[in-house]
Amino acid sequence: AQKVTQAQTEISVVEKEDVTLDCVYETRDTTYYLFWYKQPPSGELVFLIRRNSFDEQNEISGRYSWNFQKSTSSFNFTITASQVVDSAVYFCALSEPYGGSQGNLIFGKGTKLSVKP
Amino acid sequence: DTGVSQNPRHKITKRGQNVTFRCDPISEHNRLYWYRQTLGQGPEFLTYFQNEAQLEKSRLLSDRFSAERPKGSFSTLEIQRTEQGDSAMYLCASSFSSRGGETQYFGPGTRLLVL
Repeated sequence: AQKVTQAQTEISVVEKEDVTLDCVYETRDTTYYLFWYKQPPSGELVFLIRRNSFDEQNEISGRYSWNFQKSTSSFNFTITASQVVDSAVYFCALSEPYGGSQGNLIFGKGTKLSVKP
Repeated sequence: DTGVSQNPRHKITKRGQNVTFRCDPISEHNRLYWYRQTLGQGPEFLTYFQNEAQLEKSRLLSDRFSAERPKGSFSTLEIQRTEQGDSAMYLCASSFSSRGGETQYFGPGTRLLVL
């Protein structure tokens, strides 16, 4: 069955520290997509990245980077030089467009990141 | 470029009352999803539409819940005879589904409190 596990419930860092948020997924499909969303205190989910199962290239966007490893079924997210504005709950999600979930997102429970000044 | 909008943003109701939420998707998007999020949890899928057709419903969607998307534009989610367990954030997302995959963009949500 499909599942997304974010083992870290809460992480607290001091500004300018680097932080990595872990995500492990389970799927039987060969075609799937992985996502990260940010949910600030206002509540709206903000899309950060989408990765398909055939593209294992790591991605960097400013202070954000993502490491996708199919061998360990992981899709980890690193924030470099964290800032107070990064404080939010971060969700990892899985989509199986041709599988049982037909495209709807399966979310992990989220990791609450607190960045202190 | 307007994003996904949801109304109302907050709703307080008494147990047993009916409530209706509205979602306006991004205009060119053909898919619309509803999710429910409770405190400390990730969003859980409820149902989705491709244009005006409702293609899938989760087991979470009891017969007290109904969703519509007339004309394939905005959508409404109605909960009849609300229960305290229905208290949650109801999130709407829209996407454009193509062979290249899809990305769901979320609205700000409607926070429901059932007293």
